Amino acid sequence: EAQVTQNPRYLITVTGKKLTVTCSQNMNHEYMSWYRQDPGLGLRQIYYSMNVEVTDKGDVPEGYKVSRKEKRNFPLILESPSPNQTSLYFCASSRVWNTEAFFGQGTRLTVV
Amino acid sequence: AQRVTQPEKLLSVFKGAPVELKCNYSYSGSPELFWYVQYSRQRLQLLLRHISRESIKGFTADLNKGETSFHLKKPFAQEEDSAMYYCALPQGGKLIFGQGTELSVKP
Repeated sequence: EAQVTQNPRYLITVTGKKLTVTCSQNMNHEYMSWYRQDPGLGLRQIYYSMNVEVTDKGDVPEGYKVSRKEKRNFPLILESPSPNQTSLYFCASSRVWNTEAFFGQGTRLTVV
Repeated sequence: AQRVTQPEKLLSVFKGAPVELKCNYSYSGSPELFWYVQYSRQRLQLLLRHISRESIKGFTADLNKGETSFHLKKPFAQEEDSAMYYCALPQGGKLIFGQGTELSVKP
């Protein structure tokens, strides 16, 4: 089944403790991206990747890192999480950047 | 800068009533536009795209370049249509989303 898989689905952590949210797709898509979803603000893009080893900042990249060492995986790294990063995070992939995006199930992160 | 605006945060209608979710965009040229839907506690999924001109689950959307709009319409709303709806514009290597409209269909 074609899908985008994120882990974990839920995470509660403390300020400053490094964490990684994994994202994997099995559709051989070149394009992957991360979004955060906040009430009243909709979806905002954090980072995106056009292909392996090619990443670029989205609209709200501060406090986040990503890597794209292989086509299927695009982890999101929070080196020192802060409470303002409490949010619902979505990973997405698409064949190319301007075609239909397939989304993961979401990761609800709480930073206390 | 390119923008997508969904002016209504919440739209509440009764079952069987017509629905129109508004989307306006700012873009010069011929845009490719999408509508995504997010049912409660589920992932976002594509509802329809401008270029395919299809009707999905009874929803249609027409691109109006003069008004720079891509409103989503359904003639008779159903309770199962209750969800968050996002209009999106691919631009500059990314999808630009509107703020979303929550559609609530009451019995």
